[in-house]
This record gives sequence, C-alpha cells and structure tokens, in this order.
Amino acid sequence: AQSVTQLDSQVPVFEEAPVELRCNYSSSVSVYLFWYVQYPNQGLQLLLKYLSGSTLVKGINGFEAEFNKSQTSFHLRKPSVHISDTAEYFCAVRPFSGGYNKLIFGAGTRLAVHP
Amino acid sequence: NAGVTQTPKFRVLKTGQSMTLLCAQDMNHEYMYWYRQDPGMGLRLIHYSVGEGTTAKGEVPDGYNVSRLKKQNFLLGLESAAPSQTSVYFCASRSLRREPNQETQYFGPGTRLLVL
Repeated sequence: AQSVTQLDSQVPVFEEAPVELRCNYSSSVSVYLFWYVQYPNQGLQLLLKYLSGSTLVKGINGFEAEFNKSQTSFHLRKPSVHISDTAEYFCAVRPFSGGYNKLIFGAGTRLAVHP
Repeated sequence: NAGVTQTPKFRVLKTGQSMTLLCAQDMNHEYMYWYRQDPGMGLRLIHYSVGEGTTAKGEVPDGYNVSRLKKQNFLLGLESAAPSQTSVYFCASRSLRREPNQETQYFGPGTRLLVL
C-alpha cells in the first residue's frame, strides 16, 4: 500500500519570499509523483509531475520539485511567491505496477501568501 | 473543448434521499474517477472506470454506486444519502495514451453536497 504525508497543513509566507512545501511518501513499489494545485472553489490542476529522468522537475507558474528516492520525498519549491499563489497544494503518487490507475493524495497544504 | 464538467454544482439533500451526480468529458479519455474531498483528508477515491462498461471500487466505495454506459459519462449515485456523505465530489479523467500528457488527470470543478 502507499501513503503520502504532507508535513505542513498550513504555510503562511510573505509575498516575494521563497517557499517549500514538503511531501514524503511510503511505497513498497516504485511510484510516479505529482503536485496538484487547487485555487479557491475550483478543481485540481496539475502543477508538475515526476515520471522518470532528471530528479529536478519544473512545472507551471515557476514551481519546481525534486525527487529524492533515498528520502522518499518530493518537496515543492518556489523562489519568490506571489499573492496569486495562495491556494491548496496536494502531493500525490501512483504506483508503477499492480494494475492501479489511481492517485493517492496527501491531506494538502494550504499556502497563504501575505502582502 | 469543455474538458471535464460536473452536474450539479451544488445540492442539498435530506437523509435517505437519493441523487445522481453526472460527470462528462469531451477528451475521449479511457479512465474516469470519482473522488471526495473532506477537510484535512485530501482526496479519496470512491470508484473508478478503465473503460466503457467497466467500473471498480476505490478507497471509500460504501454507500455509492457508479455506472459508465458511455465512454464520455461517469455517473455517481447515492441511493440513500447520509450526513457522512456531505463533501465536495470531484470527477477526473485520464488518457491511456502516453503522449502528450502522460499520467495527467484532468479534474472537473466539483459538486458541493450537503446532506441534512
């Protein structure tokens, strides 16, 4: 079975400051990794994904994440946040094998950017 | 190209009532999913479908049924609603093809359900 832990339920930050949202996962098989963003009253939108290759993945809106297999982590970073980045961020995994086609989500991290 | 749409956007039910949530996608995706979102718990998979006429249980299937009679539609039914089913429901779809958007799930805007 797989599980995803997002270590911070809320992260307050000032505009133009850097931010890191932490994600750790547990899985007995290899997984694909994802970050989704949910703006207020909207559905989820893919921010970035790691499928293979370079462990540093760049996504939309200036976000990036680094896959660390030894630490089973996939932390999301942005060097300078904007007010418009205020949203809830979800880390998710999908196992490579076992016939699963579903995502397992973390509980989410609410990012609040203050002026 | 509307993507993934959900009907209705909001609904209030009394305990014991039934209802059906409709999800439609116009991207010709093979996979479709129903999730529920509850505070502090992220999204949990209710049921999913890997193609027309096939469905499978997810993480929290009890109290729900689904049907996928047409490739573009995925229906979620509540036969006898309970207050514990108060939640926001999201539908998503994904293509089997590896390109151009391998492994990307596309989400609808959600349905907010309140069961009194």
